[in-house]
Amino acid sequence: DSGVTQTPKHLITATGQRVTLRCSPRSGDLSVYWYQQSLDQGLQFLIQYYNGEERAKGNILERFSAQQFPDLHSELNLSSLELGDSALYFCASSAGGSQGSPLHFGNGTRLTVT
Amino acid sequence: AQSVTQPDIHITVSEGASLELRCNYSYGATPYLFWYVQSPGQGLQLLLKYFSGDTLVQGIKGFEAEFKRSQSSFNLRKPSVHWSDAAEYFCAVGAPEYGNKLVFGAGTILRVKS
Repeated sequence: DSGVTQTPKHLITATGQRVTLRCSPRSGDLSVYWYQQSLDQGLQFLIQYYNGEERAKGNILERFSAQQFPDLHSELNLSSLELGDSALYFCASSAGGSQGSPLHFGNGTRLTVT
Repeated sequence: AQSVTQPDIHITVSEGASLELRCNYSYGATPYLFWYVQSPGQGLQLLLKYFSGDTLVQGIKGFEAEFKRSQSSFNLRKPSVHWSDAAEYFCAVGAPEYGNKLVFGAGTILRVKS
């Protein structure tokens, strides 16, 4: 058990809809990362927050947004969903904010857009 | 741009045989190097990491990896594979000049035959 909690585990929704994925980091970790894993793109970094502030941005679409709250949990919002957004979305946390800090991954949220 | 290459998509080994999974990266300086393992339905678990110092690093579950600067490689090895090692393995690289994100390879799926 990594200590990172993601909810829900599965999400099925229709195109055009909006969903929110939730992540609780390991106790004491200040950084939260979001990754998207799909068969054709592999693991793609979306965005990182450190202690409530955006620290780094990757290949995140404009339809997607995220935030980290004062209690350090994070939410990833996906809107105007398309079939291609179907993927496994991982949250990871780390103690520090640099790429030298090992990441601890949750079990992911599997999103299916129909 | 940075890249991480895992040339083998699938590898099949017999239980008890040795294993080597290849990883090559393209960066100017010595990056931070990681190997993660993902079992079906699970998140990624850190096996080992290399930052500096001894180029042979030991990880969990009997795995080790060797950093070779001249070959820009960080190959993962295990002397004797167990059936429970069947999973997907990801090499990941981080570098200060590329911001606070890890770049992952495409993964290698390991099958173990009895």
